Amino acid sequence: EVQLSESGGGLVQPGGSLRLSCAASGFTFSSYGIYWVRQAPGKGLEWVSAISGSGDNTYYADSVKGRFTISRDNSKNTLYLQMNSLRADDTAVYYCAKTWYMDVWGKGTTVTVSS
Amino acid sequence: EIVMTQSPAALSVSPGERVTLSCRASQSVSSNLAWYQQTPGQAPRLLIYDASTRATGIPARFSGSGSGTEFTLTISSLQSEDFAVYYCQQYNNWPRTFGQGTKVEIK
Repeated sequence: EVQLSESGGGLVQPGGSLRLSCAASGFTFSSYGIYWVRQAPGKGLEWVSAISGSGDNTYYADSVKGRFTISRDNSKNTLYLQMNSLRADDTAVYYCAKTWYMDVWGKGTTVTVSS
Repeated sequence: EIVMTQSPAALSVSPGERVTLSCRASQSVSSNLAWYQQTPGQAPRLLIYDASTRATGIPARFSGSGSGTEFTLTISSLQSEDFAVYYCQQYNNWPRTFGQGTKVEIK
């Protein structure tokens, strides 16, 4: 079964850092681009970042550029999102999703930025 | 950035009715458009990709059409499990962008 599972969320103070992970199984991880998508409480979906299957190409929303870094370890079938300089408006459920039309999603991990 | 605009924002529908949701792109996205369904507390689920291809396991009552800037998701006969929020998303250009969503509620 194709699965994605996020972890690493939690409560962090403004200005702090957090690293999210997304563990993949059931497919050839290195063959697919992967996204991070977030959803603030009561709001719609917002694309955050993406990385190609090889990891050579990365993409970011303007709202996180310079603060977040996406990476992947294809030997571990794992995607990462390093989040620095966190702000209150980064509070959201963070999902990872497989391939460019997001055919598989994880259940999400919650990030709360608050003092 | 391509802006995706969905209409209506919300609608109330009776079970068994036909529903048509619209999504408009601010510039052409070719057929690189997907539709997702999200129920409360759940992750989104892919319904349609490439504007008109049903994802694996999606019932035939869901259909998508359109290309360029105008797209439609049709649910031929609404079932109780279809009451949810629906999002369109373009994957033709960076940054990827979603519509604001259409909430389908029980009448």
